[in-house]
Amino acid sequence: NAGVTQTPKFRVLKTGQSMTLLCAQDMNHEYMYWYRQDPGMGLRLIHYSVGEGTTAKGEVPDGYNVSRLKKQNFLLGLESAAPSQTSVYFCASSYRAPYNEQFFGPGTRLTVL
Amino acid sequence: AQRVTQPEKLLSVFKGAPVELKCNYSYSGSPELFWYVQYSRQRLQLLLRHISRESIKGFTADLNKGETSFHLKKPFAQEEDSAMYYCALNPGGGTSYGKLTFGQGTILTVHP
Repeated sequence: NAGVTQTPKFRVLKTGQSMTLLCAQDMNHEYMYWYRQDPGMGLRLIHYSVGEGTTAKGEVPDGYNVSRLKKQNFLLGLESAAPSQTSVYFCASSYRAPYNEQFFGPGTRLTVL
Repeated sequence: AQRVTQPEKLLSVFKGAPVELKCNYSYSGSPELFWYVQYSRQRLQLLLRHISRESIKGFTADLNKGETSFHLKKPFAQEEDSAMYYCALNPGGGTSYGKLTFGQGTILTVHP
């Protein structure tokens, strides 16, 4: 079991460029989440999905889009990157239940110049 | 909206000393509280959750609804406890979908 994987691990973008971060999980989890981690601010939820074909906004969704075409994959897109999106991005997944443990990926470090 | 506050950004103790990482929350309902930990070069992982009332790696945390706190405690810190610790809250209920609100995190350093 690979658990939760994220690609790429690192990326440097120029302002205005676009990119997609891929999250994949092999645990058959229904719920998936994208967070960003910034110094002094902890992790903040960007978007989440409660099942294949569904997505919803989290706390800081502006500038990001997501898609969940397959249950095991959750994509995070930046259409026009901005320096404020420089961050470490974490994907997580969990079983369908309110209090279940979230399993996290290793993170993607993104720098926008 | 819910809020989680970890007042200490950095916490340093010596090996064998007691350690307490503070977590305060604001939420009007009955939330579920968690502690997640991130060791150096490892993934963020669940340490313990309030509903389980368990002790993991010698750590315990008690939910105090009156003080709206969920402090993490260990009587004798070990060097391998050095890590980033996050307190997190789930508001519960059918529409929470497991979403977590995290605190700012506390970096714990245990000196030999």
